[in-house]
Amino acid sequence: GAGVSQSPRYKVAKRGQDVALRCDPISGHVSLFWYQQALGQGPEFLTYFQNEAQLDKSGLPSDRFFAERPEGSVSTLKIQRTQQEDSAVYLCASSLSTSPTAFYEQYFGPGTRLTVT
Amino acid sequence: KNEVEQSPQNLTAQEGEFITINCSYSVGISALHWLQQHPGGGIVSLFMLSSGKKKHGRLIATINIQEKHSSLHITASHPRDSAVYICAVKGPDKLIFGTGTRLQVFP
Repeated sequence: GAGVSQSPRYKVAKRGQDVALRCDPISGHVSLFWYQQALGQGPEFLTYFQNEAQLDKSGLPSDRFFAERPEGSVSTLKIQRTQQEDSAVYLCASSLSTSPTAFYEQYFGPGTRLTVT
Repeated sequence: KNEVEQSPQNLTAQEGEFITINCSYSVGISALHWLQQHPGGGIVSLFMLSSGKKKHGRLIATINIQEKHSSLHITASHPRDSAVYICAVKGPDKLIFGTGTRLQVFP
């Protein structure tokens, strides 16, 4: 399909393990966003890319979280030394927007549900 | 106080009922999203609006910029409308999300 895809859909990690979550945005979408959604809560912004440039990482909760988008398409969110509080659904979204202040519709992926035991 | 608040948090309805979900926000915005999230996490954008009213099928969204309030209405609700409905506002540089309204429609 032509939508945003994420993998894996489910990930169980032991506390202390590193995990990598992948996002394939819609082809041609310049902007890519990562969100964290805790159980029963709305999504919260983590980080934003415009092409390969990470323009805003103010939402990353700690330096254990790292995101990259080296070629301006696929993005990976990496969490090092996972903790139980990292358990959440991680959502990726992409849009045609070429500016962080412009508002274009965001298209969301299905999310990766991370459970840290 | 959250910057985006939704009410009610949970809503149950019988099939056919008219549903209203409310969203109030405290920040200046350029636009507002209504999103639908089904179990399993996938989010679908229903509406993006910055003024007035939009209609799509049985769904209607309205926004009052002066009052900083938006409503999502579902007419003739159906069990397949059961989902979490999330309001998100576009602040200066990012989307700010409400916590969602969980809707269950029973046959």
